[in-house]
Amino acid sequence: GNSVTQMEGPVTLSEEAFLTINCTYTATGYPSLFWYVQYPGEGLQLLLKATKADDKGSNKGFEATYRKETTSFHLEKGSVQVSDSAVYFCALTPNTNAGKSTFGDGTTLTVKP
Amino acid sequence: DADVTQTPRNRITKTGKRIMLECSQTKGHDRMYWYRQDPGLGLRLIYYSFDVKDINKGEISDGYSVSRQAQAKFSLSLESAIPNQTALYFCATSASREGNTGELFFGEGSRLTVL
Repeated sequence: GNSVTQMEGPVTLSEEAFLTINCTYTATGYPSLFWYVQYPGEGLQLLLKATKADDKGSNKGFEATYRKETTSFHLEKGSVQVSDSAVYFCALTPNTNAGKSTFGDGTTLTVKP
Repeated sequence: DADVTQTPRNRITKTGKRIMLECSQTKGHDRMYWYRQDPGLGLRLIYYSFDVKDINKGEISDGYSVSRQAQAKFSLSLESAIPNQTALYFCATSASREGNTGELFFGEGSRLTVL
């Protein structure tokens, strides 16, 4: 079956530090890949996505590149802010019309001023 | 107003009680889902529905049931709540039209505590 493994947390960084959250996946075919973010007290919302190999998703200064050869979709940001403190989820959806999403366990990021 | 609305947002109940969590959406999506979130366990799929007449079990359906009353409404029931069903529950929707990437749209969550 499909699976998503993401870097364990929690992660604590100082403001303006570089962020990487690792995500690797197992799936047949060519799934779509997502990063969702959950701010305190809120539901999940899409942060960025990529639908085919070598695509780069980007939003709010975050980036992730779909790497088919390493089955990875690592999340990066060059300079984090306190407002980026949240839980980040990596997820995949199979590239079929019957697909259901599979989520990683989530990584909690805390950014200190 | 939110596109995906869950009620109630918070509920405290006792063991053995019947509980219903409701979800409604204005996105016009045909697919709806119920997930459960526990600390350190990510999101786990309870039930999903790809259209009004389609109901499917997810990975942790035991102890839960669902009803798809209309395309826009999908409710989750706990017939006899137990303490290990204490969790944060999310409803989500997605579209099945061709070209859709499978992106999910989430409600704000329903926090359930079973004493």
